[in-house]
Amino acid sequence: QSALTQPASVSGSPGQSITISCTGTSSDVGNYNVVSWYQQHPGKAPKLMIYEASQRPSGVSNRFSGSKSGNTASLTISGLQAEDEADYYCCSYAGSYTWVFGGGTQVTVL
Amino acid sequence: QLQLQGSGPGLVKPSETLSLTCTVSGGSISTTGYYWGWIRQPPGKGLDWIGTIYYSGATYYNPSLKSRVTLSVDTSTNQFSLKLSSVTAADTAVYYCVRLISGSGQYYWGQGTLVTVSS
Repeated sequence: QSALTQPASVSGSPGQSITISCTGTSSDVGNYNVVSWYQQHPGKAPKLMIYEASQRPSGVSNRFSGSKSGNTASLTISGLQAEDEADYYCCSYAGSYTWVFGGGTQVTVL
Repeated sequence: QLQLQGSGPGLVKPSETLSLTCTVSGGSISTTGYYWGWIRQPPGKGLDWIGTIYYSGATYYNPSLKSRVTLSVDTSTNQFSLKLSSVTAADTAVYYCVRLISGSGQYYWGQGTLVTVSS
């Protein structure tokens, strides 16, 4: 069970769109549509942003969207805002009631 | 509103056992379809899934930690617990207690408890 692969950092200017990738294997991301994304501000607990690859919980801005193709899931933030600056983690079901996280991506708003 | 409150020693000596308890309020730990568990985050690093437990007592562990981890649940007090044995400095982390909605990957997080392993 290896960690999912995310880029260490992604940046964009206010108003732009950015996409964070999350690459796994056929044993996790590629085999299940159960990928979630979490936003974490410094010193805070993670917050759910996307679940089941593309579903947005109530209260989460529609600027956040998710998708999945093959072994790679993606989180897109459109209309980037200063408050979006945070760390983002993907998480996938890995079978046998186990879960695996990505290494995290630091998003910087320029 | 659901609240998860972790508690336990903030300092543990190497080779000893780390013990944390999470108290659930605003909901029942016996709710069908909800799993309860622990995720940790070493300082400056990413998230590491430790394991989950169902109210029936069924447990599921990270294979890399399985030999050292024990989760338990007490439905009478609405609490669940983590024990991690033979700790080393590498186990120093913020430990989050979480609720997982079955089948969806939706984790809800408590505020986290920092545990430092040091003599």
